[in-house]
Amino acid sequence: DIQMTQSPSSLSASVGDRVTITCRASQSITTYLNWYQQKPGKAPKLLIYAASSLQSGVPSRFSGSGSGTDFTLTISSLQPEDFATYHCQQSHSTPYSFGQGTKVEIK
Amino acid sequence: EVQLVQSGAEVKKPGESLKISCKGSGYSFTSYWIGWVRQMPGKGLEWMGIIHPDDSKTRYSPSFQGQVTFSVDKSITTAYLQWSSLKASDTAMYYCSRRAALTGGNSIDFWGQGTLVTVSS
Repeated sequence: DIQMTQSPSSLSASVGDRVTITCRASQSITTYLNWYQQKPGKAPKLLIYAASSLQSGVPSRFSGSGSGTDFTLTISSLQPEDFATYHCQQSHSTPYSFGQGTKVEIK
Repeated sequence: EVQLVQSGAEVKKPGESLKISCKGSGYSFTSYWIGWVRQMPGKGLEWMGIIHPDDSKTRYSPSFQGQVTFSVDKSITTAYLQWSSLKASDTAMYYCSRRAALTGGNSIDFWGQGTLVTVSS
């Protein structure tokens, strides 16, 4: 099974900051990497699929990059509504494992 | 509009059985895999597995194989997750989800609202 490791597990940032979250796979997953945002008490929401494709309706301040084993989610200018937990997931081979999540908090 | 609507919260005792549901609408139900994701209190997301509504083909995570059962009734566009004997450690939020087409990188493009299962004596 493929293991996904996210870092950091949490971070504090201010509105307007550039935020970067990384996700590493235990083996190559080419570009089968997805990013989700989850707010407290809510279901996750798809932000980025296939490593770098922006899901319809998601603001362009979100971007994804990477291939193989190393991936990055970037928020170019953090907005108040972006404070949430972010999860990566590999969909290269089942079981489609998730990272442990990164909580983005207000500084 | 694509929707996945899950059944309501459940409170059960250890050893009891349970079946929760997820009704899909607004799309061709038999064309997309339906998946289940567990989130234990204060923890991350765990992929449990998927089922194809057209032929009921399943793929379970090894962590959940033998612990739960997926099923579907395509006549009513509903998927199910069931347990035969619940444990306290099954206490969690359970989300159903739709796996996107291959052009969507096999991502999860739609989620249900979640069903909270509490198992306590």
